[in-house]
Amino acid sequence: NAGVTQTPKFRVLKTGQSMTLLCAQDMNHEYMYWYRQDPGMGLRLIHYSVGEGTTAKGEVPDGYNVSRLKKQNFLLGLESAAPSQTSVYFCASSYSTGTEQYFGPGTRLTVT
Amino acid sequence: KQEVTQIPAALSVPEGENLVLNCSFTDSAIYNLQWFRQDPGKGLTSLLLIQSSQREQTSGRLNASLDKSSGRSTLYIAASQPGDSATYLCAVEGNYQLIWGAGTKLIIKP
Repeated sequence: NAGVTQTPKFRVLKTGQSMTLLCAQDMNHEYMYWYRQDPGMGLRLIHYSVGEGTTAKGEVPDGYNVSRLKKQNFLLGLESAAPSQTSVYFCASSYSTGTEQYFGPGTRLTVT
Repeated sequence: KQEVTQIPAALSVPEGENLVLNCSFTDSAIYNLQWFRQDPGKGLTSLLLIQSSQREQTSGRLNASLDKSSGRSTLYIAASQPGDSATYLCAVEGNYQLIWGAGTKLIIKP
């Protein structure tokens, strides 16, 4: 039982490049989330999903896209990376709203 | 718009002391409040979840309280240990979203 895993753990991009972050969970959770964490700030929700095939915008969705084609996977895409997207990205999952969220170890992304 | 504040941003105490971490929020219309722990370079671990109808939750040496009317929560840590050193974050849930505080960095000195 691996819980929530994220790949890659680290990545450096140049401005304008694209990439996809992969989140996988093996707990059969319906809800999945993508957050970003910046120094001195709390986590901010980028996008979330309430089930396979669904996605919704969070607090800071601009510049990101997501897909939930399979229940266990939630992908976060950056089509044209910008330095402002330098951050640590966390994926989380939960059984439903109002229940405990389980977090992955994070992906540290630097955009130069 | 919901805002969550944690004061102080950092706290250093000697081992063995009891301590209290504070969390305040501006909108009392919440589903629950959660406390998490974050170790450097790692993900977050859920510590306690208090539903909006509850006043407190306990787990081992941790006790979290919730006062919705005043927009406050406290995390009480008894008999602190060096292994408790971490950043503690609180988050309130409303409308499918968790709104987070910036955290309190706790250092327990041996």
